[in-house]
Amino acid sequence: QKEVEQNSGPLSVPEGAIASLNCTYSDRGSQSFFWYRQYSGKSPELIMFIYSNGDKEDGRFTAQLNKASQYVSLLIRDSQPSDSATYLCAVTGTGRRALTFGSGTRLQVQP
Amino acid sequence: DAGVIQSPRHEVTEMGQEVTLRCKPISGHDYLFWYRQTMMRGLELLIYFNNNVPIDDSGMPEDRFSAKMPNASFSTLKIQPSEPRDSAVYFCASSPASEQYFGPGTRLTVT
Repeated sequence: QKEVEQNSGPLSVPEGAIASLNCTYSDRGSQSFFWYRQYSGKSPELIMFIYSNGDKEDGRFTAQLNKASQYVSLLIRDSQPSDSATYLCAVTGTGRRALTFGSGTRLQVQP
Repeated sequence: DAGVIQSPRHEVTEMGQEVTLRCKPISGHDYLFWYRQTMMRGLELLIYFNNNVPIDDSGMPEDRFSAKMPNASFSTLKIQPSEPRDSAVYFCASSPASEQYFGPGTRLTVT
């Protein structure tokens, strides 16, 4: 079992819709959870982080964390074609600062 | 503010040659990370430093890889001798606390 799992996609949504990206992790001691966006040929860009159970909103983005289910998700409201990218879920393991990344979900927003 | 700076952006070398990748972290960030990204394995941690001291090098593939951080504003990742399987994008990231900010990466091709 991979430490951080994501559906590779592609996830295709129409412009203006809500995109829902999901991630599960195996280390119950994980403390910090991150979502990065990576455009093709570019570096990962931090878009959200969450530490506590519940929801965290920032503009069109909402991160959701459920530690009991070892599940973290990212919602993108009013999706735009410019949101088309690979979204990487990353988690810090017990007592570690380094990030463990999922393989990423490719999102396609159709105009 | 300048972000993480990496050089060179592209490196093409022949098998057996020494390769040195360079990174300048964001000023004031105490943590520096080296990651490698390939299609097959995704983003993987190689090594990270805290206050210039290596903390976790468990991701360094083998003795051919070495990393140093002589001061707070500079780090190097060296591969000697290089092999075709080292071809990847190498990212440096820095962090003030938990969130990490990535540099543009160095695309290494070993022929």
